Amino acid sequence: GEDVEQSLFLSVREGDSSVINCTYTDSSSTYLYWYKQEPGAGLQLLTYIFSNMDMKQDQRLTVLLNKKDKHLSLRIADTQTGDSAIYFCAERATGTASKLTFGTGTRLQVTL
Amino acid sequence: KAGVTQTPRYLIKTRGQQVTLSCSPISGHRSVSWYQQTPGQGLQFLFEYFSETQRNKGNFPGRFSGRQFSNSRSEMNVSTLELGDSALYLCASSLASADNEQFFGPGTRLTVL
Repeated sequence: GEDVEQSLFLSVREGDSSVINCTYTDSSSTYLYWYKQEPGAGLQLLTYIFSNMDMKQDQRLTVLLNKKDKHLSLRIADTQTGDSAIYFCAERATGTASKLTFGTGTRLQVTL
Repeated sequence: KAGVTQTPRYLIKTRGQQVTLSCSPISGHRSVSWYQQTPGQGLQFLFEYFSETQRNKGNFPGRFSGRQFSNSRSEMNVSTLELGDSALYLCASSLASADNEQFFGPGTRLTVL
């Protein structure tokens, strides 16, 4: 079945890099996603990676995928206070149409 | 281009009542999915509609239902509300079912008293 796990909390200093980790169980995952949620808001799509890729870079964001270990990470370079939010990873499995299975979310706190 | 819109943004109901939430997808998008977000259960998939047909359904009781209109707007209905139905209900739209990118609306915050 589908299960996605994340650590609950991460604190980093402004200007440092943040690395948020995620593990998933479904080997039929086709796409893996990172979403950001700010207080009182919906989910903002940050980036996604196809399961046959191992890395994707988009400006300050780098996604690494280790398919063998079913491990996904999101690196945010030069973390800013505006990056403080909850970050969700999600997977979409084969044959499930648009259904996303989300992790529990990691709260990122950026300190000065 | 306008994003996904959801109405109303906030709603307060009492147990036993029913509620209808509305979602208008991004122009040109034909797939709409609904999710429930609670502190205890996190984000859970409710259902997806594409071309007015339900494509997939999550593990929710029959009190939760939805539909999609010919203009791709979608509604979800919850009947016989329970306290545990208090949640943020999010809808997401994509161009087609199983499309790579899904974009979420701001959500409807439902409180059941």
